[in-house]
Amino acid sequence: AQKVTQAQTEISVVEKEDVTLDCVYETRDTTYYLFWYKQPPSGELVFLIRRNSFDEQNEISGRYSWNFQKSTSSFNFTITASQVVDSAVYFCALSEPSSNTGKLIFGQGTTLQVKP
Amino acid sequence: GAVVSQHPSWVICKSGTSVKIECRSLDFQATTMFWYRQFPKQSLMLMATSNEGSKATYEQGVEKDKFLINHASLTLSTLTVTSAHPEDSSFYICSARYYRMDYGYTFGSGTRLTVV
Repeated sequence: AQKVTQAQTEISVVEKEDVTLDCVYETRDTTYYLFWYKQPPSGELVFLIRRNSFDEQNEISGRYSWNFQKSTSSFNFTITASQVVDSAVYFCALSEPSSNTGKLIFGQGTTLQVKP
Repeated sequence: GAVVSQHPSWVICKSGTSVKIECRSLDFQATTMFWYRQFPKQSLMLMATSNEGSKATYEQGVEKDKFLINHASLTLSTLTVTSAHPEDSSFYICSARYYRMDYGYTFGSGTRLTVV
């Protein structure tokens, strides 16, 4: 069964600090996708990144970077030089496309508060 | 591309009445759609998976007769909360899976349901 764990419930940092959000996943499939989404107070989900199980390259996009390590089943997300606008709930999610439904399962979410 | 429109954005209804939430894929055919429920400060919990032209698959613990899902066309899925009660008050989000140049999920903007 697929499972995503985000052990950090809430994180509070001061603006310009770097912050890492942890994500650990469980799956029996060899082919799977991992995602990160941001959910601001408005409720809409904002897509940040998708990574498939065969691509372990780390990725950087502006102030955002992701570290995917299959050996530890982790897909961590780092925000460099955080800003107040980064305050939101962040979700890590996992899908197994080969399964009957290909459903997307979310972790518990991490609430990030960036203080000025 | 791959846009999903969800309506209404918010609804207030009286206890005992039914409420219908619509989710439309605007620029692609969504053979599979997912419905999630999110309580305050919690994660998105998958309620059911709907496939066009067939019965929805409900997650364990979700009442099929209470949350009616219809996916009658490739662009429309509806969730009807029947005989709503205050405990059904929540944020409901639909999602569609798409395959284009890549693989991913697109989300509606969500419906905030308040039952009074």
